[in-house]
Parts: sequence; structure tokens; C-alpha cells
Amino acid sequence: GIQVEQSPPDLILQEGANSTLRCNFSDSVNNLQWFHQNPWGQLINLFYIPSGTKQNGRLSATTVATERYSLLYISSSQTTDSGVYFCAVRVASYNQGGKLIFGQGTELSVKP
Amino acid sequence: NAGVTQTPKFRVLKTGQSMTLLCAQDMNHEYMYWYRQDPGMGLRLIHYSVGEGTTAKGEVPDGYNVSRLKKQNFLLGLESAAPSQTSVYFCASRATGGGGEKLFFGSGTQLSVL
Repeated sequence: GIQVEQSPPDLILQEGANSTLRCNFSDSVNNLQWFHQNPWGQLINLFYIPSGTKQNGRLSATTVATERYSLLYISSSQTTDSGVYFCAVRVASYNQGGKLIFGQGTELSVKP
Repeated sequence: NAGVTQTPKFRVLKTGQSMTLLCAQDMNHEYMYWYRQDPGMGLRLIHYSVGEGTTAKGEVPDGYNVSRLKKQNFLLGLESAAPSQTSVYFCASRATGGGGEKLFFGSGTQLSVL
């Protein structure tokens, strides 16, 4: 099956710093999403981004599908950005059309 | 807007007991999913459904059964619970195509099997 690898596994930032999280995947995908799991366990969808670039406030994401990676940028980090960031992908083939597979996540801690 | 609702939120079982987790969504989504989350393992797909009356196996289906008798509901069953099934279970749903493919999650069910 498809392999989804996220890096780094852990990241500690000082408030106000910028960061880049990476998601590599081993097969062609037609669906890629980024999620934030807050310290209370709630999973929030940040971006649906199978290709191209999107921005939402201090967060932006870029997916280069041909090179099989996606990046999540966090600028001017805040303590509320702490939590685990996941990417999830769907393989672009008919018989795998429903599956959305998650990476292991990047645990971010933003210190005040 | 309820979105995706999971019940119960917490449950403790003894080994060998059975239970059913209920997931309900009010967004008319075709696709529904059950994941489990364990420390250091991320979210792993148990089973999923691409529409009413359909189910398919995910990455870790053993020991679980599912049913999708109604479009809005997706049930996850444990027939004979084992300690290895102690986990946090998440249900999710999404629409099909047309740019509406974002995945929406429920708030999770924390299950302990003693």
C-alpha cells in the first residue's frame, strides 16, 4: 500500500517563529488533506489540497503532486498552534478510490 | 449544525464483551470512515463505506465489523473485545468530488478493554 511519511516527527518552536512541515507519499494521489489535532483530541481540517497552493491566514500549503510531496507552512506561530499535524492521502486508482491514509503526524509545541 | 456525531464518547469493556459504536452525519455525505488512533501509530483506517449498503476493509479490519444500512449512519461493531482494541476511535465523512472532498471528523470515542 501507499506509504505516507511526515517530517519532522516533533518540533518545538518559540512563539512568533515560522515552520515548515513536510508530507511525502509513495504513489500518485488525487486527494490530499492537512489536519490539526488540538490538545483536546479534536481533528480539524486545515486544507484540501491535491495540487497547487492555498493560504488561510497564517497557514499555507503547497502540494507538488508530480514529485509526491506536500508542505504546510505556519508563520508567526502561536501557542494555539500546538498539537499534532497530519496529512492524509487517497491513491489515484479506481479500486483504492475510497481509502484515505494518514501519515504518522508531526507533533508541534509552541512555547510562549 | 451537528456535522459528525459519535456515540458513546467513553466506554469501558471487559475482554470478550461486545459493543457497537454509532456514527451519524447530517451532511448527506456518501463516504464514511472508521479510524483508530493509538500513541505513536497515527490514525489507521479500520473500515470505510462509499455509499449506503457498501463497506470495505481498511488497513486494520480484523476484529471489527461494520454496517451502513442508512446513508447517514455507519456502525462499528466489536463482537469479542480484546485489550489490543483499547484505543480512541474516530468516525469521519466526506462528500464525493466537485471540490467537496474535505474530511470531517467526529469528536472520538475513547474505548478501554480490560
